[in-house]
Amino acid sequence: QKEVEQDPGPLSVPEGAIVSLNCTYSNSAFQYFMWYRQYSRKGPELLMYTYSSGNKEDGRFTAQVDKSSKYISLFIRDSQPSDSATYLCRGGYNKLIFGAGTRLAVHP
Amino acid sequence: EAGVAQSPRYKIIEKRQSVAFWCNPISGHATLYWYQQILGQGPKLLIQFQNNGVVDDSQLPKDRFSAERLKGVDSTLKIQPAKLEDSAVYLCASSLGPGTSGLNTGELFFGEGSRLTVL
Repeated sequence: QKEVEQDPGPLSVPEGAIVSLNCTYSNSAFQYFMWYRQYSRKGPELLMYTYSSGNKEDGRFTAQVDKSSKYISLFIRDSQPSDSATYLCRGGYNKLIFGAGTRLAVHP
Repeated sequence: EAGVAQSPRYKIIEKRQSVAFWCNPISGHATLYWYQQILGQGPKLLIQFQNNGVVDDSQLPKDRFSAERLKGVDSTLKIQPAKLEDSAVYLCASSLGPGTSGLNTGELFFGEGSRLTVL
């Protein structure tokens, strides 16, 4: 079992939709959780960072951590075509591990 | 502020040949990372430097991969001899350094990557 698992997609949604991206992790000791966005042929860029459980909101993006079910989520409200990218979750405690990424396509 | 610079952007080589990638991190960033990203997978950490010392190279295939960071600034990653399974994007990232926990939870700034194809 991989330590951080992500559905690869692709996920295709119409512009304006609410998008839910999810990751599961296996190690209950994980404390740090991040979401990165990676455009095609570019390096990942940090979107959201959370520590332990709870929600964090930044504009159209909300990151949620549920430690009881070892589940982390990224919600995108009012999705735009410019949100089309691969979204990578990353989590850990002494080492941080990336998930495989979910490809998102937002069509006009 | 200039970002992380990497070169070359693309490289095609035959198996058993050698290749080297170069990275120039953001000025003042003490920590430098090399990641390998195979198509359809997330980035995998190969090596992490703190200044010019190695912090973690547990996933670096040391029989064929080597990396150095002379003077704590630029870094090179070398593969010799290359295998077909080394075809990937090699991403360099940098960060200011470890947080108070000692863990590098600070923001990583990635370069655009060097795409390697081994034939």
